[in-house]
Amino acid sequence: AQSVAQPEDQVNVAEGNPLTVKCTYSVSGNPYLFWYVQYPNRGLQFLLKYITGDNLVKGSYGFEAEFNKSQTSFHLKKPSALVSDSALYFCAVRDINQGGKLIFGQGTELSVKP
Amino acid sequence: EAQVTQNPRYLITVTGKKLTVTCSQNMNHEYMSWYRQDPGLGLRQIYYSMNVEVTDKGDVPEGYKVSRKEKRNFPLILESPSPNQTSLYFCASSLAGKGYGYTFGSGTRLTVV
Repeated sequence: AQSVAQPEDQVNVAEGNPLTVKCTYSVSGNPYLFWYVQYPNRGLQFLLKYITGDNLVKGSYGFEAEFNKSQTSFHLKKPSALVSDSALYFCAVRDINQGGKLIFGQGTELSVKP
Repeated sequence: EAQVTQNPRYLITVTGKKLTVTCSQNMNHEYMSWYRQDPGLGLRQIYYSMNVEVTDKGDVPEGYKVSRKEKRNFPLILESPSPNQTSLYFCASSLAGKGYGYTFGSGTRLTVV
């Protein structure tokens, strides 16, 4: 079965420092990977996706993610964190064998302190 | 504006009183889905629909019903709500195909007492 794992429940970063939110995946075949962000009392917003091609994917709000096939990882990164980046982040994989379901990781709470 | 609209945003109801949470999208998406989000359990799929009149169970379908009579609408029905259905619910839609992500609604926070 396809799955994603986010090993950290919470990540704390100082404003201006680089941030990384980790995600590993387990899929059969080619992975279709996504990152979403959830702000308090809001729905999930799409950040970026990897389908094929360049391993470094750029997305919204200055975020990027690096696809690493050998390590089966898809870590989310940002060179300089903002306090407004504080939110809940979800990694997901689209399972084309189960009706196209998005399978989510447990989520990582990112806290950026001034 | 392209969006998924859910109503209501907040709902408190009593055990056993039937309710419907509506979901509508204006993007002509074929695929629609319902998720529930619970602390420590992440997001779990309840039902999904690949097109009009085509629906199927997700991971946690017990106690829920759906219908897809029109492409834009995908209501979630709780025939006899119970307290364990207290949760945050999200509707989502996408184009069919592996490379597409979902667009999510703003969520419905349901409390069953």
